[in-house]
Amino acid sequence: QSVLTQPPSVSGAPGQRVTISCTGSSSNIGAGYDVHWYQHLPGTAPKLLIYGNNNRPSGVPDRFSGSKSGTSASLAITGLQAEDEADYYCQSYDSSLSGWGVFGGGTNLIVL
Amino acid sequence: QAQLVESGGGLVKPGGSLRLSCAVSGFTFSDYHMYWIRQAPGKGLGWVSYIGSSGSPIYYADSVKGRFTISRDDAKKSLYLQMNSLRAEDTAVYYCAKGAPSGSLDYWGQGTLVTVSS
Repeated sequence: QSVLTQPPSVSGAPGQRVTISCTGSSSNIGAGYDVHWYQHLPGTAPKLLIYGNNNRPSGVPDRFSGSKSGTSASLAITGLQAEDEADYYCQSYDSSLSGWGVFGGGTNLIVL
Repeated sequence: QAQLVESGGGLVKPGGSLRLSCAVSGFTFSDYHMYWIRQAPGKGLGWVSYIGSSGSPIYYADSVKGRFTISRDDAKKSLYLQMNSLRAEDTAVYYCAKGAPSGSLDYWGQGTLVTVSS
């Protein structure tokens, strides 16, 4: 059971907007720790998608955006494309774990 | 562009040992903290170990503490994970990843598969 809770799956049609939630607690997201998001296609290296809650690394399309509020964070994907079908993970840190990181359980995005 | 390449995975019997390596290029290895992350079959990403830029601090997940040892050789630009007393539940793809100042992991390797089975 992950410290950060994500929905197991979300789906959307091409062109639509989807959001993936990441729910934590007062010892991680709520404590002010930043949230980062990764995209992972099976058999490939996970890719950093969003860092520091809402920042995109160079090369990541602006269709991807992140936000954080209270003890939760969200990843939004607009203009959904078939190539977006992948697993998405949120990541933060937890004060109860001596600064050790925590991942969400992952969300499988299905493009219909 | 940073590149990380893992090696050393394979099939090993329960109780056996393996040493994973991660060769890096494209960045000043000695300046960054590094991680080992794993993904068991059908599961999500999970932390294994962390090593600071100067070789400390070092952290381990409770599930591997006392069995795994992380190390780095800055001269060889390489990260290592010595895995002893392997168990079936250690079966996973193991990734090395570079830590970023933001607290994120900004570059990852393709992973190396470790299978623990008799």
